[in-house]
Amino acid sequence: DSGVTQTPKHLITATGQRVTLRCSPRSGDLSVYWYQQSLDQGLQFLIQYYNGEERAKGNILERFSAQQFPDLHSELNLSSLELGDSALYFCASSVDWGFNYGYTFGSGTRLTVV
Amino acid sequence: TQLLEQSPQFLSIQEGENLTVYCNSSSVFSSLQWYRQEPGEGPVLLVTVVTGGEVKKLKRLTFQFGDARKDSSLHITAAQPGDTGLYLCAGVGPDMEYGNKLVFGAGTILRVKS
Repeated sequence: DSGVTQTPKHLITATGQRVTLRCSPRSGDLSVYWYQQSLDQGLQFLIQYYNGEERAKGNILERFSAQQFPDLHSELNLSSLELGDSALYFCASSVDWGFNYGYTFGSGTRLTVV
Repeated sequence: TQLLEQSPQFLSIQEGENLTVYCNSSSVFSSLQWYRQEPGEGPVLLVTVVTGGEVKKLKRLTFQFGDARKDSSLHITAAQPGDTGLYLCAGVGPDMEYGNKLVFGAGTILRVKS
């Protein structure tokens, strides 16, 4: 157990629907990062929050949004889902806003859009 | 085109053999990390290297950071079936995307047969 909790582990939904993925960071970590992993694109950085504020944006689509709550858990919202959104979505956390201490990843949410 | 090029993409070897995995970029890294990912799990941090020419050892794994901080290698001695997994390098640097967020290579899939 890495200490980063992601729910649900699996999600199957239809095109056009909206889903919410949840992440609880490791205790003491203030930064949360969201990554998308697919076979053809590898691990792609989506967005980072630090202590409740958006810190950096990557390849995140406009249909996707995220937030970090006062208790530091984070949610990634995916709307108007398309078949191509099927992927593994990972949340990672770190103690600070940078990279020095490495990232601790959760076990991921496997999203299947049918 | 991947910012970080990993080679080989796939490696299948017998237990007891040695192997080397490479991570190359045209950009200079401020820091580089290696992760290992098993099926159904998130990546797990193995090592962080920050100084050009730095060599770090983790049991049978040896990590080297290039003098110019543009490349890195991971050498495994006497591979074991438990080493099987996806090995990812991840870098961050002033010339990279997303500021100081980690950018991942596509990974090397290692399979060690007993």
